Amino acid sequence: EVQLVESGGGLVQPGGSLRLSCAASGFTFTSYAMTWVRQAPGKGLEWVSALGPTGGTTYYADSVKGRFTISRDNSKNTLFLQMNSLRPEDTAVYYCARNRGYGYGYDYWGQGTLVSVSS
Amino acid sequence: QSVLTQPPSASGTPGQRVTMSCSGGSSNIGSNTVNWYQQLPGTAPKLLISNSNQRPSGVPDRFSGSKSGTSASLAISGLQSEDEADYYCAAWDDSLNGVVFGGGTKLTVL
Repeated sequence: EVQLVESGGGLVQPGGSLRLSCAASGFTFTSYAMTWVRQAPGKGLEWVSALGPTGGTTYYADSVKGRFTISRDNSKNTLFLQMNSLRPEDTAVYYCARNRGYGYGYDYWGQGTLVSVSS
Repeated sequence: QSVLTQPPSASGTPGQRVTMSCSGGSSNIGSNTVNWYQQLPGTAPKLLISNSNQRPSGVPDRFSGSKSGTSASLAISGLQSEDEADYYCAAWDDSLNGVVFGGGTKLTVL
């Protein structure tokens, strides 16, 4: 059974940092690109970042470029999102998701982890 | 303001057929496939339509997707109460070099 389990969310002050993790199981992690999608309270989905199967190719939304870094540890089947210089508008539930293939969408999602940026 | 435009709401009665639209541009829907997601209240999104018109395993054939030019649509036939959810379209955008989502359509089953 495919499982994605996020962790690392919490309350942080503006300007602070957090590192999210997404533990994957039930599939060959090294065969899939992975992505982070977030959802602010009461709002729609926003794509944040994506990473190729080997970690060599990364993509970022303009809203997080230069502040967030996506990475993966294929030996531990884990995806990461390092978030620096956090802003109140980064407050959201962060989901990790598996990319089914180019153009085929995200077929498995985690349950999400809440990040709150507030003083 | 989302790059892909969806109507904020839609509604129908049980058994009815409803459609919802997703409008984009040449750099996203016009040149890439569209995926649709269903998000039930309090849950993570679920992939509903892949590659513009394909249903992943387990998705009922009541759901169908289509794409024409820079627009896409999702149709639900035989509407059921459990279809009440938010629906999002998404596509890769060649200009932004990333995925763009629509703002979502909230479906109410009357």
